[in-house]
Amino acid sequence: KAGVTQTPRYLIKTRGQQVTLSCSPISGHRSVSWYQQTPGQGLQFLFEYFSETQRNKGNFPGRFSGRQFSNSRSEMNVSTLELGDSALYLCASSAAQGLFSYEQYFGPGTRLTVT
Amino acid sequence: DQQVKQNSPSLSVQEGRISILNCDYTNSMFDYFLWYKKYPAEGPTFLISISSIKDKNEDGRFTVFLNKSAKHLSLHIVPSQPGDSAVYFCAASGRAGGTSYGKLTFGQGTILTVHP
Repeated sequence: KAGVTQTPRYLIKTRGQQVTLSCSPISGHRSVSWYQQTPGQGLQFLFEYFSETQRNKGNFPGRFSGRQFSNSRSEMNVSTLELGDSALYLCASSAAQGLFSYEQYFGPGTRLTVT
Repeated sequence: DQQVKQNSPSLSVQEGRISILNCDYTNSMFDYFLWYKKYPAEGPTFLISISSIKDKNEDGRFTVFLNKSAKHLSLHIVPSQPGDSAVYFCAASGRAGGTSYGKLTFGQGTILTVHP
């Protein structure tokens, strides 16, 4: 089975621009979660989507948004980029059925640099 | 408010010996715990998990122990190998407020170095 894939792997943007990152989960996985990793804050949860619905959201400003498509692929968008948005953005998928607990499998991440 | 803490930033172990990585949590609503291994510029790799209904789970060289009363978990790697050198994160989730387990709360990580 193919793992979680994320595109692009690297991205350089300028302050004020917006960016869209893409994630394809493991086949059959319906839950997709997004995380931000920075040296200062570590790994922080952004949001989770399940069956095209956002059901969990972390403490990030409204500039961070996401969506999930009917094939479970997900995108996250960051508008009006700030220097502090430079980070590794990780997507994880899970075979979760409903609300129950399952391990999450991570993709390789997208390294976003904002200049 | 750091709800999951890994108090040791680094650990150095000799090849063949046991590595013990520790993690503490404060939120009593957490009931599912995971350990991940991470290399720089890569995504975390899932190692092992444990539900709060258990106090031990084993998978090959990896064993996770959970002490609910102390809100403490540990990962034991036996025997340690040089290829185990990486950053190890513990993570926790739970059904707080009726939400799903889709949100993982991570510790800050412990850098494990296994010397040949």
